[in-house]
Amino acid sequence: EAQVTQNPRYLITVTGKKLTVTCSQNMNHEYMSWYRQDPGLGLRQIYYSMNVEVTDKGDVPEGYKVSRKEKRNFPLILESPSPNQTSLYFCASSLSEGRHNEQFFGPGTRLTVL
Amino acid sequence: ILNVEQSPQSLHVQEGDSTNFTCSFPSSNFYALHWYRWETAKSPEALFVMTLNGDEKKKGRISATLNTKEGYSYLYIKGSQPEDSATYLCASPRDAGNMLTFGGGTRLMVKP
Repeated sequence: EAQVTQNPRYLITVTGKKLTVTCSQNMNHEYMSWYRQDPGLGLRQIYYSMNVEVTDKGDVPEGYKVSRKEKRNFPLILESPSPNQTSLYFCASSLSEGRHNEQFFGPGTRLTVL
Repeated sequence: ILNVEQSPQSLHVQEGDSTNFTCSFPSSNFYALHWYRWETAKSPEALFVMTLNGDEKKKGRISATLNTKEGYSYLYIKGSQPEDSATYLCASPRDAGNMLTFGGGTRLMVKP
C-alpha cells in the first residue's frame, strides 16, 4: 500500500531533550516536506527536500533540523525542544516538484513539550 | 509571504444542501492551486491540483473552478452528506519555489 508513515504518533517530552520524528514514504517520491499545524495558524511549512541531500527552509525552520540521506526517509530533528514547539506535525511527499503535484500526507505526530 | 485566504471559516449545512466556498490568492506569479480535504483525526488528502485559468475539476459530488486572473478558486459540493464534514484547505506555491502556503481552511459541518 502506498503510504507515508511517521513515528511516533504521539510524544510527550521535556524541554531540551533531543528528539527525532521519523518520516518514510514507499512511493519513490522525490519531494518531501514537514509541516506544523497550530490552531488559528493553519499548516505552516518547516522544511522541504527536492531530492537526496537537497533541503530548504520553509516558513518556520527555527529550532528544527532535517536530513535527506535516502530518498524514502526525511527525519525531523528537534535538538533542544521548547514548549513553543508543541504542535501537530505532518510529513508529506509528492512525485516531484511540490508546487504542481498533489502531496500525500502522513498520519501526523502530536508532540507536547513540557 | 504569499497570502492565501479562505472563506468562510466555518459552514453548517443540512444534508442534501449544495454548498460552496472560496480560496483567494494573489493573481500575480500564479503557479498552481491545491485543494485538500482534512477529516478530524485523519491527515489531509488531495482533492485537486489546478494550474490553468478556467480549469474545472470534478471528483464525484465535489468540483472546483479556478480564476487566476482575479485570484480565486471555488470549491462546490453538490448534495452535501454527513461524510463530507471536514476542513477543506487550499494551498498555493509562492514564486517559482516549491514551498506551499496553505489557507486557514473552511470547516464544513453537514447535519443529517
